[in-house]
Amino acid sequence: KAGVTQTPRYLIKTRGQQVTLSCSPISGHRSVSWYQQTPGQGLQFLFEYFSETQRNKGNFPGRFSGRQFSNSRSEMNVSTLELGDSALYLCASSDQVGHYGYTFGSGTRLTVV
Amino acid sequence: EDQVTQSPEALRLQEGESSSLNCSYTVSGLRGLFWYRQDPGKGPEFLFTLYSAGEEKEKERLKATLTKKESFLHITAPKPEDSATYLCAVQGSTSGTYKYIFGTGTRLKVLA
Repeated sequence: KAGVTQTPRYLIKTRGQQVTLSCSPISGHRSVSWYQQTPGQGLQFLFEYFSETQRNKGNFPGRFSGRQFSNSRSEMNVSTLELGDSALYLCASSDQVGHYGYTFGSGTRLTVV
Repeated sequence: EDQVTQSPEALRLQEGESSSLNCSYTVSGLRGLFWYRQDPGKGPEFLFTLYSAGEEKEKERLKATLTKKESFLHITAPKPEDSATYLCAVQGSTSGTYKYIFGTGTRLKVLA
């Protein structure tokens, strides 16, 4: 079966702009989570959505937001980009809420210049 | 403070040279400890979930164990294709709120 699909794979944005990243989970999975990965901080949890509702949220500023659609696809938005937002953004899906062996996508590499 | 610490940061092994990776954790309300493998340019690939102290899981050359304070990923007779970054993560729960905390990983290089 198809895995978790993230688009786009690479993105270059200018400081101050906003960006939207997309994630299509494995068919049948209703939980989608987002992570930011940087060399210094490792993987940090952003938020989790299940059945279109945000169930958990990490410690990120309000510039980071997300949503989930009825077909379980999810988008993540970052407004007023800062240089420090440059990172690999990973999406993971699961068939239930909570962390039970997530399946990750290959990520979107965001570079802010 | 909830945290996950992995050691060593990097490890170079000769093919066939067995070793162990360590994951020390502090978390409230442990619900599970997870091991992942991550190859360059890819997302993490799930390996194991451990739920309680004393539990062990095996997959090919990998064996994961769990105590109340740490987990080990034992690699027996590794091959070059085992080269990757190995990530440990814990899920904790406090008052119905989940926390997901990853370590920064161990970069493993297996030389032929």
